[in-house]
Amino acid sequence: GAGVSQSPSNKVTEKGKDVELRCDPISGHTALYWYRQSLGQGLEFLIYFQGNSAPDKSGLPSDRFSAERTGGSVSTLTIQRTQQEDSAVYLCASSSRTTGESQFFGPGTRLTVL
Amino acid sequence: AQSVTQLGSHVSVSEGALVLLRCNYSSSVPPYLFWYVQYPNQGLQLLLKYTTGATLVKGINGFEAEFKKSETSFHLTKPSAHMSDAAEYFCAVSEGQAGTALIFGKGTTLSVSS
Repeated sequence: GAGVSQSPSNKVTEKGKDVELRCDPISGHTALYWYRQSLGQGLEFLIYFQGNSAPDKSGLPSDRFSAERTGGSVSTLTIQRTQQEDSAVYLCASSSRTTGESQFFGPGTRLTVL
Repeated sequence: AQSVTQLGSHVSVSEGALVLLRCNYSSSVPPYLFWYVQYPNQGLQLLLKYTTGATLVKGINGFEAEFKKSETSFHLTKPSAHMSDAAEYFCAVSEGQAGTALIFGKGTTLSVSS
């Protein structure tokens, strides 16, 4: 597609449930990033994938968070045993060597944990 | 460690007035600097970036920013505000190479009155 797409756009879940958030990067982009945007913490980096290299997981807030990227394209962010503090907008971005340092963002998934 | 400070969480201007949004950064290496804009319920859109070279960079929608190393600043300006400029603006820094996470400021909400 023309831009980064994310699904679902909104997700409401109950505390303790697992959720999966999906990101489709711009075609051909080798790098993919997940960020979280919340009122209290602003925009925070979560995890970064570059090609076939091991991901940079340094921003993941706890071991309940994990992400994978299959075939170097689509990525799924999984949050296990969700907590109310996980409520936020989860943003995905992608970039490539042709975009250099510019990351292009998707519209985000708004997660609400009740 | 890198950090970004945006002075003023909320800036109000009249239509046609100068827009000035302030951003200061700290970085131990030559930084790459970015401004993103976020409209309500949308993802982040890149306005402009500084990587190397000319310190005055021009972006979309008439915005520009100047990298001042001595002041560790990257303020965003627009000579004449338009109603459609009302949005939240984020300054971000990365460690001067492709494929590194962005560190964001807390954001500045710009209001434009007629």
